Amino acid sequence: SQTIHQWPATLVQPVGSPLSLECTVEGTSNPNLYWYRQAAGRGLQLLFYSVGIGQISSEVPQNLSASRPQDRQFILSSKKLLLSDSGFYLCAWSTGTPQETQYFGPGTRLLVL
Amino acid sequence: GENVEQHPSTLSVQEGDSAVIKCTYSDSASNYFPWYKQELGKGPQLIIDIRSNVGEKKDQRIAVTLNKTAKHFSLHITETQPEDSAVYFCAAKATAGGTSYGKLTFGQGTILTVHP
Repeated sequence: SQTIHQWPATLVQPVGSPLSLECTVEGTSNPNLYWYRQAAGRGLQLLFYSVGIGQISSEVPQNLSASRPQDRQFILSSKKLLLSDSGFYLCAWSTGTPQETQYFGPGTRLLVL
Repeated sequence: GENVEQHPSTLSVQEGDSAVIKCTYSDSASNYFPWYKQELGKGPQLIIDIRSNVGEKKDQRIAVTLNKTAKHFSLHITETQPEDSAVYFCAAKATAGGTSYGKLTFGQGTILTVHP
């Protein structure tokens, strides 16, 4: 069966510091991968999605970037965090066919102070 | 692009009652409609989904109905239990063409509280 991991689970960072959040998927090959941000426990905003290694699409302009160095690894990064980057970050995966269902990871709670 | 509206934003029921959450969507090309349950501090979990070739789908106490003409779909939970308390999200996706092709668009969520 497929599983999705995210770490760290929680993170407290000062403003201006860098960020690296990691997501890995097990039990499937060539998944589509997604990064979402959820503010205040409501509303899921799609940040990035990837259909393959090195292929990243950005949904909204922001202070964040994403990379996919391996087939089942997805990384969310920032060079300098802003207060507004605080939130709950969710990684999701789906199969590579059009009618895929998305499955979410456990999430990373980020607090920028 | 697709726009999904979800109502109500909060819903409070007594244990054993039914709960209904409704969503409307804007893109007529949308043909896949999942529902997710999110417990506090956790990632959303898929609980049921429906595709446009059916009007209703049931899984034990949970059912989803779809009206493509009116572009709305609903989640029905019967015999609610305290463990059903969570945030519920609807979503819509076009799996072939349309302005929202390939992307899940989520509603804003409904906080369901089931009182014992």
